[in-house]
Amino acid sequence: GQNIDQPTEMTATEGAIVQINCTYQTSGFNGLFWYQQHAGEAPTFLSYNVLDGLEEKGRFSSFLSRSKGYSYLLLKELQMKDSASYLCAVPNQAGTALIFGKGTTLSVSS
Amino acid sequence: DTAVSQTPKYLVTQMGNDKSIKCEQNLGHDTMYWYKQDSKKFLKIMFSYNNKELIINETVPNRFSPKSPDKAHLNLHINSLELGDSAVYFCASSQVRTSGKADTQYFGPGTRLTVL
Repeated sequence: GQNIDQPTEMTATEGAIVQINCTYQTSGFNGLFWYQQHAGEAPTFLSYNVLDGLEEKGRFSSFLSRSKGYSYLLLKELQMKDSASYLCAVPNQAGTALIFGKGTTLSVSS
Repeated sequence: DTAVSQTPKYLVTQMGNDKSIKCEQNLGHDTMYWYKQDSKKFLKIMFSYNNKELIINETVPNRFSPKSPDKAHLNLHINSLELGDSAVYFCASSQVRTSGKADTQYFGPGTRLTVL
């Protein structure tokens, strides 16, 4: 089955860089997603990695190492609005749903 | 221009009642989903559905049933509500799965269900 592990909470200050790690164990691999969820809102898509390496999208980058079962989300030039939960997710073996980690709550302070 | 919408946003009801949550997507997607997010913010799949098959998470009680009148709608019916059903329910949709890649899922705003 699928198993995902990520830290529960992280704190950082405005302007800093933070790295949120995610380790996973899957039966078959079909890519890894990162979603952002602000309190009381829907998860919104941030990134999808299916090949090894770093993908950059503005202030956010996502890295994948399939051999290590590891991914991270890198947030640069942190802003207060980046305070949210960050969810790591992988498709289930049948590809019929996403299996989510428990999320990392990031608090950005001034 | 809402992509995935749900109604109602809040639902407060008594134990034992039957209720429904509606979901609509205007993205032209073929697959829709229901997820439950509990008080610890853990998001878990309940159902996935396209016009060919319904996949049910075996841990979901049969009091929960999805109904799809057409490709753009997937409603969730809940019978005999229990206290433990209190949670936020999210609808999502995605395009048909492409071989070798998973398709991004887009989430609705959620329905916060409170059972008293």
